[in-house]
Amino acid sequence: QKEVEQNSGPLSVPEGAIASLNCTYSDRGSQSFFWYRQYSGKSPELIMSIYSNGDKEDGRFTAQLNKASQYVSLLIRDSQPSDSATYLCAVNTMNAGNMLTFGGGTRLMVKP
Amino acid sequence: GAGVSQSPRYKVAKRGQDVALRCDPISGHVSLFWYQQALGQGPEFLTYFQNEAQLDKSGLPSDRFFAERPEGSVSTLKIQRTQQEDSAVYLCASSPGGGVGRELFFGEGSRLTVL
Repeated sequence: QKEVEQNSGPLSVPEGAIASLNCTYSDRGSQSFFWYRQYSGKSPELIMSIYSNGDKEDGRFTAQLNKASQYVSLLIRDSQPSDSATYLCAVNTMNAGNMLTFGGGTRLMVKP
Repeated sequence: GAGVSQSPRYKVAKRGQDVALRCDPISGHVSLFWYQQALGQGPEFLTYFQNEAQLDKSGLPSDRFFAERPEGSVSTLKIQRTQQEDSAVYLCASSPGGGVGRELFFGEGSRLTVL
């Protein structure tokens, strides 16, 4: 079992819809959680960080964390074609120092 | 500089050649990471520096891989006797401070193709 799991997709949603991206992690002691967006051929860029249970909203993006279920999600409201990218979930696992462990990424396609 | 800079952006090597990949982190960033990203996969951790100290090299896949950051700024990832399975994008990331789980700022990566 990988430490951070994501459905590889592709997840296809129509423009204007809500895209829901999910991630599970295995280390119950994980403390910090991040969502990165990666366009094809480009480097990952940070979208959201979340550290405590509950929801965190930033514009069209909402990150949700449930430590009891070891689950973190990213919701994208009013999806746009420009949101089409691979979304990487990253977790700082206990005893890993400053290192982030990444999931395999979910490819999102927003169709006009 | 304004961001993390990596060079070369693209490198084609014949199997058995040695390669060196350079990373220039954001000025003042204490932490520096190297990740390997295969096509269609997420980044896989290779090694981590805090200033000039290499605190974690558990992700280096073999002793052909070596990284250094002698003055706590620029870092070089060296791969000796390259193999086809080394073909990947090598991402460098830096982070301010040494705190746990801080945001990583990534460079554009060095795409290595081993023929």
